[in-house]
Amino acid sequence: LAKTTQPISMDSYEGQEVNITCSHNNIATNDYITWYQQFPSQGPRFIIQGYKTKVTNEVASLFIPADRKSSTLSLPRVSLSDTAVYYCLSGGTDKLIFGTGTRLQVFP
Amino acid sequence: DVKVTQSSRYLVKRTGEKVFLECVQDMDHENMFWYRQDPGLGLRLIYFSYDVKMKEKGDIPEGYSVSREKKERFSLILESASTNQTSMYLCASSLIPGQFNSPLHFGNGTRLTVT
Repeated sequence: LAKTTQPISMDSYEGQEVNITCSHNNIATNDYITWYQQFPSQGPRFIIQGYKTKVTNEVASLFIPADRKSSTLSLPRVSLSDTAVYYCLSGGTDKLIFGTGTRLQVFP
Repeated sequence: DVKVTQSSRYLVKRTGEKVFLECVQDMDHENMFWYRQDPGLGLRLIYFSYDVKMKEKGDIPEGYSVSREKKERFSLILESASTNQTSMYLCASSLIPGQFNSPLHFGNGTRLTVT
């Protein structure tokens, strides 16, 4: 059964780059790694997904090493509005497993 | 944009009541999911469905059942509500049938309190 582990919380300041790392024990060959963002009183929102190496979109970058045992979500130049909980998720043809989330607090 | 709508933002029910939580998605997605979210425990999967009238147990199905009579609608049923079912309930959908890599689209949740 896949399981993800990530830091409980992180602090940052506006304008900094933030990297959140997730470990993926027993990730299966067909599993993708997906990250979600959640604001209070809202459902999680899809940010980015990848299988290996690096993926970048307008919001974030995702780095996945060759062994795929971990992944790093990179948020460039965060703002106050990036304060949220970030979840990493690994899954494929089997049930999805969410991590416990990383609470990112961005300070002015 | 996909819209996943949960019928109630807040519900208060009494112990032993039968509770229905409704979820509708408007993008013809094949997969639908029910999660509950509790502090310190993250999101846990209760049930999911990859087709009409199909359902599969997630990690914590005990005390719950589901119904999917139409593709766009997925209902979560608490047959006899208990206080330990007080939680935030989140519905989600995704596009590709049986393929759980497909990104999830969540509703805004129903906060259920059982007294």
